[in-house]
Amino acid sequence: QKEVEQDPGPLSVPEGAIVSLNCTYSNSAFQYFMWYRQYSRKGPELLMYTYSSGNKEDGRFTAQVDKSSKYISLFIRDSQPSDSATYLCATGGTSYGKLTFGQGTILTVHP
Amino acid sequence: EPEVTQTPSHQVTQMGQEVILRCVPISNHLYFYWYRQILGQKVEFLVSFYNNEISEKSEIFDDQFSVERPDGSNFTLKIRSTKLEDSAMYFCASSISPGLAGTSTDTQYFGPGTRLTVL
Repeated sequence: QKEVEQDPGPLSVPEGAIVSLNCTYSNSAFQYFMWYRQYSRKGPELLMYTYSSGNKEDGRFTAQVDKSSKYISLFIRDSQPSDSATYLCATGGTSYGKLTFGQGTILTVHP
Repeated sequence: EPEVTQTPSHQVTQMGQEVILRCVPISNHLYFYWYRQILGQKVEFLVSFYNNEISEKSEIFDDQFSVERPDGSNFTLKIRSTKLEDSAMYFCASSISPGLAGTSTDTQYFGPGTRLTVL
């Protein structure tokens, strides 16, 4: 079983839509969870960091963690064409600094 | 805003040659990392580094790889004898704390990457 699973998409939505991106993980020892955004041929850019179960909001972005079901989500409200990118979930906390990434979901927001 | 920088942006080399990829982490960060991403695949952890020592390494990080902090600002990844399958994007990252604090200081900031092409 893969440690972190993420539907690669691609996902295409109209501008203004609410986007839901999801990951599941298998290792209950993971302690913290991140969402990164990656534009083509660029480095991952941190969007959200969460440590505990629950919701965390930052502008149009909401990260949700459910440790009991090992499920993490990112919601994007009022999506914009500039949100078009690959979104990576990542988990960590089991060892020194190692992040385990999902496959990434390719998102396109069309005008 | 401080950022991680990497050079070169693209490196082309012949199989069997040695390459050194360079990174300048964020200045007040203490923990440094290398990841790689083969085209179309996941970002994969290679190694973490603190206080001039490797803290953790993955199975990928075999004897062909080494890391070094040669001075107070640079962090390098050396591949001694490159193989075709080493072709990938290599990302450097840095953080204040090593991912065990449970706070935002664990956050890893990534550089733009070096695209390594082995011919």
